[in-house]
Amino acid sequence: QKEVEQNSGPLSVPEGAIASLNCTYSDRVSQSFFWYRQYSGKSPELIMSIYSNGDKEDGRFTAQLNKASQYVSLLIRDSQPSDSATYLCAVKPYSSASKIIFGSGTRLSIRP
Amino acid sequence: DVKVTQSSRYLVKRTGEKVFLECVQDMDHENMFWYRQDPGLGLRLIYFSYDVKMKEKGDIPEGYSVSREKKERFSLILESASTNQTSMYLCASSRGGSYNEQFFGPGTRLTVL
Repeated sequence: QKEVEQNSGPLSVPEGAIASLNCTYSDRVSQSFFWYRQYSGKSPELIMSIYSNGDKEDGRFTAQLNKASQYVSLLIRDSQPSDSATYLCAVKPYSSASKIIFGSGTRLSIRP
Repeated sequence: DVKVTQSSRYLVKRTGEKVFLECVQDMDHENMFWYRQDPGLGLRLIYFSYDVKMKEKGDIPEGYSVSREKKERFSLILESASTNQTSMYLCASSRGGSYNEQFFGPGTRLTVL
């Protein structure tokens, strides 16, 4: 089992709809969770961090964490074509002082 | 804003050459990381450093070495470049302690001929 798993996609969502990206992780006692956005040919950009169960909202983005289910998700409201990118989920395992483990990413495509 | 810079955006080298990739961060971060990213393989950690002169191997250290003589600078060295080291190389840094968010540089696309 991979430490951080994401559906590779592509996930196609109409403009204006809600895009829902999901991620599961294997280390039950992981503490820190991150979402990165990566445009083609560019480096990953941090868009959300979440540390406790529940929802965290930042503009059109909402991160949701459920530690009991070992599940973290990212919702993008009012999706725009500029949201088309690969989204990487990352998790800091309890055993790691500084490393984080990245998923392989979900490719999101927003269709006009 | 955190700023992580890398010495080159694009680099072309020949097989057997010694290659230096430089990374500099301006936010006094404790930790620095080198990754490579290849289609279908995701981000793979090569080496990381949690302090000056301290380093630890990541998942794929073979064929690479690193140097961290100053806190802000972390260098990746390919001792003898090979074609299978053609890749996008990404440097990242993080503050450490409870703050594990990593911030990435723009990347260096290295081609080894």
